[in-house]
Amino acid sequence: SAVISQKPSRDICQRGTSLTIQCQVDSQVTMMFWYRQQPGQSLTLIATANQGSEATYESGFVIDKFPISRPNLTFSTLTVSNMSPEDSSIYLCSVWGQVSGYDFGPGTRLTVT
Amino acid sequence: GENVEQHPSTLSVQEGDSAVIKCTYSDSASNYFPWYKQELGKRPQLIIDIRSNVGEKKDQRIAVTLNKTAKHFSLHITETQPEDSAVYFCAAKNSGGSNYKLTFGKGTLLTVNP
Repeated sequence: SAVISQKPSRDICQRGTSLTIQCQVDSQVTMMFWYRQQPGQSLTLIATANQGSEATYESGFVIDKFPISRPNLTFSTLTVSNMSPEDSSIYLCSVWGQVSGYDFGPGTRLTVT
Repeated sequence: GENVEQHPSTLSVQEGDSAVIKCTYSDSASNYFPWYKQELGKRPQLIIDIRSNVGEKKDQRIAVTLNKTAKHFSLHITETQPEDSAVYFCAAKNSGGSNYKLTFGKGTLLTVNP
């Protein structure tokens, strides 16, 4: 399976600021995704990160709030903009590979105060 | 879009017993069904998956069954051990077009009591 790393692993941020989370994969992958997992909850897909084009957002998530970049087949960033306490969550990068299926990164635990 | 229902939300068993978690899905075009185990504070880990052209798959103490007609699939864990305690998520993927996204169930907290 792919080796996925995320930075930062956790952060505490003030309301109104923005945080950019990085996801790095050790091999080229076709698909990259960003999920949010609130405490005690399931995984909710934010968007599919498309290489070289705009991300595809799920209902309830917008580009202005969660801008995503994917400059190549091994790297993506998710920015959480103008944060509020409701954005406190774990953000997970996920990749899909033909052989390995779906793998998840270790997650970024975000607390907004 | 796809909707995945998962039951039960919590399950407590004695060590050595079997555990069964069930999921139903809504989109008959879904063709890939993975199961993930998530321990506290850790990332979800794929434990087993099944594709729609297969009715059952087994890996040691873990098995998954799929009933396409009824649109449900189940995770079976035999001879449970305390280290099986975790949250388990089922998911479904629709292969239509360029859609590779997974839809997850709400999860089952499994507790195996020694």
